[in-house]
Amino acid sequence: DTGVSQDPRHKITKRGQNVTFRCDPISEHNRLYWYRQTLGQGPEFLTYFQNEAQLEKSRLLSDRFSAERPKGSFSTLEIQRTEQGDSAMYLCASSPRDHEQYFGPGTRLTVT
Amino acid sequence: DAKTTQPPSMDCAEGRAANLPCNHSTISGNEYVYWYRQIHSQGPQYIIHGLKNNETNEMASLIITEDRKSSTLILPHATLRDTAVYYCIVRVARKGSTLGRLYFGRGTQLTVWP
Repeated sequence: DTGVSQDPRHKITKRGQNVTFRCDPISEHNRLYWYRQTLGQGPEFLTYFQNEAQLEKSRLLSDRFSAERPKGSFSTLEIQRTEQGDSAMYLCASSPRDHEQYFGPGTRLTVT
Repeated sequence: DAKTTQPPSMDCAEGRAANLPCNHSTISGNEYVYWYRQIHSQGPQYIIHGLKNNETNEMASLIITEDRKSSTLILPHATLRDTAVYYCIVRVARKGSTLGRLYFGRGTQLTVWP
């Protein structure tokens, strides 16, 4: 399968712990996006990379959130000191150009 | 980016055409219309996009009104696997643009019944 992959698919953590998610985009896609989706809502944009440069960040991305794409390939999203409100599906997407975005299956985070 | 309005739910008989409407009355001249869908427990899937002209691909057709204030996504022969939430999004897209984000609303839940 050459689609976008995300790891892990599910994560359960206790409040206050740090978590890190990984996204592997489709090969040679230079654009990478992170979104968050809560139950009953559409995905909400978090951040956007073009190659290794983080070009856009949402106000949703508080100081506890950090995203990296060190070599312009895979990306990581870290949440520090998790809160129950962080429970959501975290979606990654990649794109070769300005139009269609290809989404991964997501990582479901549950903070207890 | 302009806001879109979609009905919360629709249903359709299998084999019939599904016509999903979207209002985007504040759309600007340089904003494209995109459609994505999300099948339960999966990531969103790109369907189609357009600027002014009607577009067709292997999944669907997109009809944009002449004033561009509304559009319709047409699934010509709906199947049970087309049951999903369909999102209509308008967004600026231009070469070199850093405006990468997509604004998803709540979309339309399409249920295809046998």
